[in-house]
Amino acid sequence: DIQMTQSPSSLSASIGDSVTITCRASQNINRFLNWYQQKPGKAPKLLIYAASSLQSGVPSRFSGGGSGTDFTLTISSLQPEDFATYYCQQSFSTRMCSFGQGTKLEIK
Amino acid sequence: EVQLVESGGDLVQPGRSLRLSCVASGFTFGDFAMHWVRQSPGKGLEWVSGISWNSGSVGYADSVKGRFTISRDNAKNSLYLQMNSLRAEDTAFYYCAKDIGQLIMTGWFDPWGQGTLVTVSS
Repeated sequence: DIQMTQSPSSLSASIGDSVTITCRASQNINRFLNWYQQKPGKAPKLLIYAASSLQSGVPSRFSGGGSGTDFTLTISSLQPEDFATYYCQQSFSTRMCSFGQGTKLEIK
Repeated sequence: EVQLVESGGDLVQPGRSLRLSCVASGFTFGDFAMHWVRQSPGKGLEWVSGISWNSGSVGYADSVKGRFTISRDNAKNSLYLQMNSLRAEDTAFYYCAKDIGQLIMTGWFDPWGQGTLVTVSS
């Protein structure tokens, strides 16, 4: 099974800051890495797929990068609505997908 | 507008069975793979199972393999999850999610339903 490890587990930042969340896969997953945002009491929302492709309707301040085993999600110029929990997910094996443990982004 | 509505969640005793349903609308259901993802209260996301557009390919997390069965009825725009031999650790919100790949399984989930709560307790 492919294990996904995110860091940090939590993060505090201010409005207007830029933040980066990292995700590491236990084996090479090429660019089969996706990022989701989840707000309290809501279902997750797809932000980025295939490591760096922005899902339709997602603001351009969100960007993704990486390949192989190491990936990043960067949010530039944080807005109030960006404070949420973020999850990475590998889809290298579509019959055995797996998520990272999540990164909670809080307002400083 | 794409909508996914789950139902069937309930309080059930350990060892019993439960069947979840997800009714889809707003897209050609039969063209897309579908998935179930769960989240224990206050915890992270866990992919549970996925099924291709034509039911030809299915997958399960190790934690549910042999106990859960995913299926779909394209004529009814419906996805199902049959859960047998339920355990306390199966307690979670269960979300159905649409795969964004048409006629392929990409493992990219968008959108998700609102979830249905399964509680396994005596």
